[in-house]
Amino acid sequence: NAGVTQTPKFRVLKTGQSMTLLCAQDMNHEYMYWYRQDPGMGLRLIHYSVGEGTTAKGEVPDGYNVSRLKKQNFLLGLESAAPSQTSVYFCASTHQGAPGYTFGSGTRLTVV
Amino acid sequence: AQSVTQLGSHVSVSEGALVLLRCNYSSSVPPYLFWYVQYPNQGLQLLLKYTSAATLVKGINGFEAEFKKSETSFHLTKPSAHMSDAAEYFCAVTSGGYNKLIFGAGTRLAVHP
Repeated sequence: NAGVTQTPKFRVLKTGQSMTLLCAQDMNHEYMYWYRQDPGMGLRLIHYSVGEGTTAKGEVPDGYNVSRLKKQNFLLGLESAAPSQTSVYFCASTHQGAPGYTFGSGTRLTVV
Repeated sequence: AQSVTQLGSHVSVSEGALVLLRCNYSSSVPPYLFWYVQYPNQGLQLLLKYTSAATLVKGINGFEAEFKKSETSFHLTKPSAHMSDAAEYFCAVTSGGYNKLIFGAGTRLAVHP
């Protein structure tokens, strides 16, 4: 049982480049989330999805886009990367009636 | 909106000593509360959760937390620290529906011999 899988695990981008982070879960969870983790700031919600084909903004959505074309996958896109987006990104998922996340292992992104 | 405050960004204890990590939340309605642990270069792992059942919640690795509504607190404790407990700990609270979580800034626990 893989749980929540994030790819890639590490990436270095140049300013202005684009990339997509993939999150896949095999637990049939309805809800999925993308967070960023920065030192001293905990985790902040970027975007979330409550079902296939639906997405919503979280606390820090600017500069990011998301898509959930399939229930098991939640993609996070950076159209034009900026150094301020250097962070560790975590994906999480949960069942509709069961608070508490299952987390992926994270993607460490550096924008130079 | 909900907020979570973790008092002390760094806590250092001796091996065998009591561990106390503090968490306060802001809400007039009792939320669901969680403690997660993050070991270096890893994801977050659930330690324990409060979901309106017993106010004293026991988790993995000997940790427990007590929900105190009057103090809006959910402090994490362990009677005797072990070297393997060295990690960063995050308190989180549900906020705004759809099981969304708001996280505290984290407390890094160091355990020294």
